[in-house]
Amino acid sequence: RKEVEQDPGPFNVPEGATVAFNCTYSNSASQSFFWYRQDCRKEPKLLMSVYSSGNEDGRFTAQLNRASQYISLLIRDSKLSDSATYLCVVIGSGGNTPLVFGKGTRLSVIA
Amino acid sequence: DTEVTQTPKHLVMGMTNKKSLKCEQHMGHRAMYWYKQKAKKPPELMFVYSYEKLSINESVPSRFSPECPNSSLLNLHLHALQPEDSALYLCASSRGLAGGPFAGELFFGEGSRLTVL
Repeated sequence: RKEVEQDPGPFNVPEGATVAFNCTYSNSASQSFFWYRQDCRKEPKLLMSVYSSGNEDGRFTAQLNRASQYISLLIRDSKLSDSATYLCVVIGSGGNTPLVFGKGTRLSVIA
Repeated sequence: DTEVTQTPKHLVMGMTNKKSLKCEQHMGHRAMYWYKQKAKKPPELMFVYSYEKLSINESVPSRFSPECPNSSLLNLHLHALQPEDSALYLCASSRGLAGGPFAGELFFGEGSRLTVL
């Protein structure tokens, strides 16, 4: 099992739709989780941090399921501007553990 | 606008050239990173500096040489690169140190797009 796995998509959804992505991780000791957004030919930008069971910011909700070792990202009322690649990032526990990036899920929101 | 500034934005170099990529942040972050990203792939970690000391080197070839002159600056010196080294090179910083919880909250620069001929 890969350290961090994401469905690569693409997810093509109409404006206004609700879309959800899942990300599974293999290290059960992982403590911190993040969603980044990356637009085409741009740098990744932090979207949400998940340190406990979940986090909500406007139309975006991230949830953590430790038992099943996955994190989800829910986007409600999708906008055209949400079109991007969404990267799941996990930190292991303790030590000098670097971040592990998932390969990303591409989202296209269509008018 | 990103608070991590990278120069140059684009660089074309031959395999025998020596060039440097520069990165600057003024957020007081004590961890700085170099990542390499190829098209349609996630960023790959190259180096991590914590408190201006190299703390992680992800088995990067010696033709890439990082340098951290002070807490705000990070350089990546390039020498004798190969065409397969063509990629987007991203600098990032974080208020947390590598391995700690806030280490996942990275601020990336816009990147330097490198082409090696």
